[in-house]
Amino acid sequence: AQRVTQPEKLLSVFKGAPVELKCNYSYSGSPELFWYVQYSRQRLQLLLRHISRESIKGFTADLNKGETSFHLKKPFAQEEDSAMYYCAVAGGTSYGKLTFGQGTILTVHP
Amino acid sequence: SAVISQKPSRDICQRGTSLTIQCQVDSQVTMMFWYRQQPGQSLTLIATANQGSEATYESGFVIDKFPISRPNLTFSTLTVSNMSPEDSSIYLCSVWSNEKLFFGSGTQLSVL
Repeated sequence: AQRVTQPEKLLSVFKGAPVELKCNYSYSGSPELFWYVQYSRQRLQLLLRHISRESIKGFTADLNKGETSFHLKKPFAQEEDSAMYYCAVAGGTSYGKLTFGQGTILTVHP
Repeated sequence: SAVISQKPSRDICQRGTSLTIQCQVDSQVTMMFWYRQQPGQSLTLIATANQGSEATYESGFVIDKFPISRPNLTFSTLTVSNMSPEDSSIYLCSVWSNEKLFFGSGTQLSVL
């Protein structure tokens, strides 16, 4: 069965500091990994997916198959990055069927 | 991107009653899903809403409790039947479009 672990429920950093949100997954096969973000009073939205290898709002995430990790990183955190972040994995061909982690609340202090 | 309208946005219901949540998409989509987010928990997939056929339910969810309709490619409903306080959750409609999963704003349900 698929599983996603986000070990930190809360993460606090100061503005300008680097930030890393951890995500580990278990999946037997070739997973598709995502990071979703929910800002205050907004709906859940896609931040990035590993297959795109893109950087969104300064965030990047590298898939490490050896460590089964997909950590989200940003070199210089901004106050507007404060939000709930979910890591998710999809398997097979049905990308809409995601298994989500517990989420990490990121707070960036001024 | 797909724009999803979900209603109601919130409701307070008495135990034993049923609530139907509606999800409308601004474009035709093949894949539509219903998720649940219980208080303090992550999102869990309830079912895939299939157009023209019965929904496909995930382990732990059954049609009698969560009947789903999908009459066309832009609309779906989820009913939470015979509600109990344990059904108090946020229910989310989502669609797969342009290689992304889009979410509705959710329905916050409280059962007394």
